[in-house]
Amino acid sequence: DGGITQSPKYLFRKEGQNVTLSCEQNLNHDAMYWYRQDPGQGLRLIYYSQIVNDFQKGDIAEGYSVSREKKESFPLTVTSAQKNPTAFYLCASSLGSNTDTQYFGPGTRLTVL
Amino acid sequence: AQSVTQLGSHVSVSEGALVLLRCNYSSSVPPYLFWYVQYPNQGLQLLLKYTSAATLVKGINGFEAEFKKSETSFHLTKPSAHMSDAAEYFCAVSKETSYDKVIFGPGTSLSVIP
Repeated sequence: DGGITQSPKYLFRKEGQNVTLSCEQNLNHDAMYWYRQDPGQGLRLIYYSQIVNDFQKGDIAEGYSVSREKKESFPLTVTSAQKNPTAFYLCASSLGSNTDTQYFGPGTRLTVL
Repeated sequence: AQSVTQLGSHVSVSEGALVLLRCNYSSSVPPYLFWYVQYPNQGLQLLLKYTSAATLVKGINGFEAEFKKSETSFHLTKPSAHMSDAAEYFCAVSKETSYDKVIFGPGTSLSVIP
C-alpha cells in the first residue's frame, strides 16, 4: 500500500533535548511538508521541500531543522531552541505543485516534560 | 496574499440534519480550493477539490461544495449528517504559482448529536 508513515506516534522529550521525527513516503512524490497543529490554530507550515537536497522555511521555522537527502524521507528535528514544542506534527507529500492534493501521515504527538 | 476564513470554529448538528460548513477565501487569481477532514488523532484526508472544471464539486462520503466567485465562498454541505461525520474540517486555498504555499483555514469542528 502506498502512503506516508510517521514515527513515533507519541514522543516525550525533556527540556533541552533535540528530537527527530521521522516521515517516509512511498508515493513517489517530489514535494514534502511539515506542519505543526495546535488546538484552534489550524495547520502552520514549518518547512517544505519540492525536490531532493532542497528545502525552504515555512511560516514558523525557528527552532526546527530538516533534511531531504532521499526522495522518500523528510525528517524533522525539533531543537532545544524551539521554546514551545509541545504539539501535534503532521507530515505531508504531494506530486510537486501547490495545486496538487496533499497526502498526510498519521501525525506525531510531541510532549515536552 | 491569499487567506482563508472558516466561520464557526465549532458546529453541532443532529443526526440526519443538513451539514453546512462555511469557507471564504481571498485570492487575486482564480484559486484552487480544497476541503480536508481530520478524525481525532489522525492526519488529514482530502474530501474534495475545486479546479475550475465545475463549480459544484462532489467529494467522498456524500459531501459536496459549491464555488461561488461572486461571494468568494466554497461552503461544504452534506444533506444528512451521520455520527461518523464528527471530525475537524479544514478549507484550504492555493494558486498555480511556484512560490505560493497552500493556505489552510483554522478548521471547524463538527459534532453530530444522536
